This record gives sequence, C-alpha cells and structure tokens, in this order.
Amino acid sequence: AQTVTQSQPEMSVQEAETVTLSCTYDTSESDYYLFWYKQPPSRQMILVIRQEAYKQQNATENRFSVNFQKAAKSFSLKISDSQLGDAAMYFCAYRSESNTGKLIFGQGTTLQVKP
Amino acid sequence: SQTIHQWPATLVQPVGSPLSLECTVEGTSNPNLYWYRQAAGRGLQLLFYSVGIGQISSEVPQNLSASRPQDRQFILSSKKLLLSDSGFYLCAWNRDSTNYGYTFGSGTRLTVV
Repeated sequence: AQTVTQSQPEMSVQEAETVTLSCTYDTSESDYYLFWYKQPPSRQMILVIRQEAYKQQNATENRFSVNFQKAAKSFSLKISDSQLGDAAMYFCAYRSESNTGKLIFGQGTTLQVKP
Repeated sequence: SQTIHQWPATLVQPVGSPLSLECTVEGTSNPNLYWYRQAAGRGLQLLFYSVGIGQISSEVPQNLSASRPQDRQFILSSKKLLLSDSGFYLCAWNRDSTNYGYTFGSGTRLTVV
C-alpha cells in the first residue's frame, strides 16, 4: 500500500522569503500523480500544484514550484516570496493511476507566515 | 462548469442519534466520489469511495455507511452516532482517468455530544 509522509508538522517563514515543505512517499508503482493541497482556516481544500510521475520536469505555478525526485520518492513544495495569505495547512497527496483514483494524504504541515 | 455541494456546514448531534450528510455534484456525469474525515489538526482519512451508482467501497471499518442512490449524489450515514464520529467530513469528486486531483466540497463539521 502507498504511504505519504510529511515530517514537518509546523513551519514558519518571514513574509517575502522562501520556504520549502517536505514530502516523501512509498510506492511500488511507476506511474502515478502527486499533489499539494492547501487548507486555509476556512478548511476548504485548494489544489496548489500537481506533478505527473512520468514527467521529469518539475511543475511550477506562479510562486509555487516542486522538486520531484522520483528515485528518492521525494516531492517537496517551494513557496517563493511568501505572502500572509499563504498561511495554511499544506497536504501532500499521492494518486495511483488506477481507475479508483484514490488520493492518499500525508499528515499535513502547518505553515505560519510572519509579517 | 462543475460544482460540488455539501451540507450541512455544521451539525451537533447527540450520541446515539442518526446521521445523514449529503453531497451532490453538478456539471459532470459518472464522477468518482469520495468521503474523507479529518480529525482536528490531522490529515485526511479516506472513508468511502464510489465509482458508480450503487457501488461503494469502504476503506476502514467504522460506524458509518455510504450510499450512492443517483449518479451525482453521495450520502454518508450512521444509525447511531458515537463520540468518536466527531470530525470534519469532506466530500470530493474527480473524473476517472485524469491526472487531476480532487475537487472538494466545503465540508461538514460534525460534533457528537
């Protein structure tokens, strides 16, 4: 069974600086998808960025980018120019390519942004 | 465009009472549907998923059940709530065979007293 691990329960960053959130996963599959979700205090789950395992190029969405290391099974999220609105809980998630499409989540990292 | 509706937003129920949470999706057909539970300050645990009408898969043994009476309707139920059923419940959908993540509902905060 696949597992997702986020080893940092809490992180903090100064506004305008850069922070990296860590995520590792375990799988025996070769094709899969990885995601980062943001959950602000409203608790609405918001998709931040996604990565297809077959793509070597790291995904980027504006200030958000990932460092995908397939051999190491690592999928970290980098937030550049941090803003106060980035404060939230961030979840790393794994999705198999099977038709059930189940998302397996990590435990989450709470990000605090200091003004 | 597709939207997902989940209600109620908050619910306080006594122990032993029944539960029914409803989730509906608009703007798509034959979605995969999911129920997750999130304990306070914790990650999301998959409870049930459904790939079609009447098809329910349970991920963890528990006091809850799920049903999918219509293509775009997913219901989470319990006959008798336990204190341990308290939590934040999220419904989600995605399209089969895509690399997109889920779209989540706004969630239901359930407190069993």
